[in-house]
Amino acid sequence: AQSVTQPDIHITVSEGASLELRCNYSYGATPYLFWYVQSPGQGLQLLLKYFSGDTLVQGIKGFEAEFKRSQSSFNLRKPSVHWSDAAEYFCAVGPASGGSYIPTFGRGTSLIVHP
Amino acid sequence: KAGVTQTPRYLIKTRGQQVTLSCSPISGHRSVSWYQQTPGQGLQFLFEYFSETQRNKGNFPGRFSGRQFSNSRSEMNVSTLELGDSALYLCASSSRDGDTQYFGPGTRLTVL
Repeated sequence: AQSVTQPDIHITVSEGASLELRCNYSYGATPYLFWYVQSPGQGLQLLLKYFSGDTLVQGIKGFEAEFKRSQSSFNLRKPSVHWSDAAEYFCAVGPASGGSYIPTFGRGTSLIVHP
Repeated sequence: KAGVTQTPRYLIKTRGQQVTLSCSPISGHRSVSWYQQTPGQGLQFLFEYFSETQRNKGNFPGRFSGRQFSNSRSEMNVSTLELGDSALYLCASSSRDGDTQYFGPGTRLTVL
């Protein structure tokens, strides 16, 4: 069965600093990979996704992620963080095996941005 | 194109009551999934409906049920509410198998 690990529960950065959120996955084939962001009390918003092709994926709000098959990773990056980026970030992998197409979500990383 | 909508946004119930939550997917999307999100357990998959049929089910008791209508709108029902059912319930829709899931804003359920 596939799984997703987000090793960092909390990440604190200063506004203007660069950001990297880690995501490691376990999957038997070429995965679909997603990053979502969730502001407090809100639903999840898709930041970016990887299905195939170029392993460096550009998303909304200035985020990018790189798929590294050899490391089973799909880390999210942003060169300069804004205070409004403070939120919960979820990595997901799919589709599931055995006929299910439901992605598997990580436990999330909470981003705190200091002024 | 309008996004996924969920109603109501907030709900307060007491133990033992039942509740019905509603989700309208993005137009043209036929798959609707439901998730429960709590601080302790994170995002947990409840079930998925596709063309009015439950296609996948998570590991939740039978008190949690759902259905999907011919217009792809979906409802989720929780009977005999327990305190531990307090959570944010999220609905997501997708256009085809394996495609991106788009989430609604959620329904915040509080059980007193």
